[in-house]
Amino acid sequence: GENVEQHPSTLSVQEGDSAVIKCTYSDSASNYFPWYKQELGKRPQLIIDIRSNVGEKKDQRIAVTLNKTAKHFSLHITETQPEDSAVYFCAANSGGGADGLTFGKGTHLIIQP
Amino acid sequence: SAVISQKPSRDICQRGTSLTIQCQVDSQVTMMFWYRQQPGQSLTLIATANQGSEATYESGFVIDKFPISRPNLTFSTLTVSNMSPEDSSIYLCSVVDGLNTEAFFGQGTRLTVV
Repeated sequence: GENVEQHPSTLSVQEGDSAVIKCTYSDSASNYFPWYKQELGKRPQLIIDIRSNVGEKKDQRIAVTLNKTAKHFSLHITETQPEDSAVYFCAANSGGGADGLTFGKGTHLIIQP
Repeated sequence: SAVISQKPSRDICQRGTSLTIQCQVDSQVTMMFWYRQQPGQSLTLIATANQGSEATYESGFVIDKFPISRPNLTFSTLTVSNMSPEDSSIYLCSVVDGLNTEAFFGQGTRLTVV
C-alpha cells in the first residue's frame, strides 16, 4: 500500500518568512495530493490540493508543487503570519480523492513573532 | 461543501464496553470513511463505509473490533467494541461528495477509555 513520508516534523520560522514542507510517496499510481491544516482541538481543514496532471498550483500565499518522477510534493507558504501556526498534514491516494487517504506524520509549524 | 455532524463529540468509557459514534451528512455523498487519530499523531484510515454492504477495512483493523454501518448515503456509524485504554483516540468521519473529490472531516469524537 501507499506510504507517505513528511519532513520536517517541526518547523519554526520568523513571521513574514517562507515555510516549506516536503512529502514523498511510494505508490506511483497515486494521483491526488491534498494538504490539510489542523489547529489544536479542531478538525483537519483542506487548504490546497493537486492532481497528477498538474505540476504546480497556487492559492494566494499557499502553493503546492508536484514532481511525479521523483514522487514528491511540497507545500510552500509565503509571508507567514501567526495564524499559520498549526499542524500540517500531506496525504495521497490513487483514487483521485474517492479512496481513503494515506497521511504523512504531520509538521508542526510555529510562526515566531 | 457537505456539513458533517458527528456525535458524540467526546466520551469517557469504561474498559470492556462499546461506544457507537454517529456521522450524519446534510446531503448525499458518494464515499464515507472512518479515521483514527491517536494523541499527537497523524490520521490513519480505519475503513471505507460502503452503502448497503460490508465496510472495507484497512490492514490492522477488523470488523469485530470496529463494526461499521452505512444504511444510506447520508449516515454511518462506527462502533468501538470491547474497549481498552489503547483505543483512546480521536475518531473522525470523512466524506467525499459527488461534486468533486475533496475530502471533508467531521469534528471528531474524542474517546477516553479508563
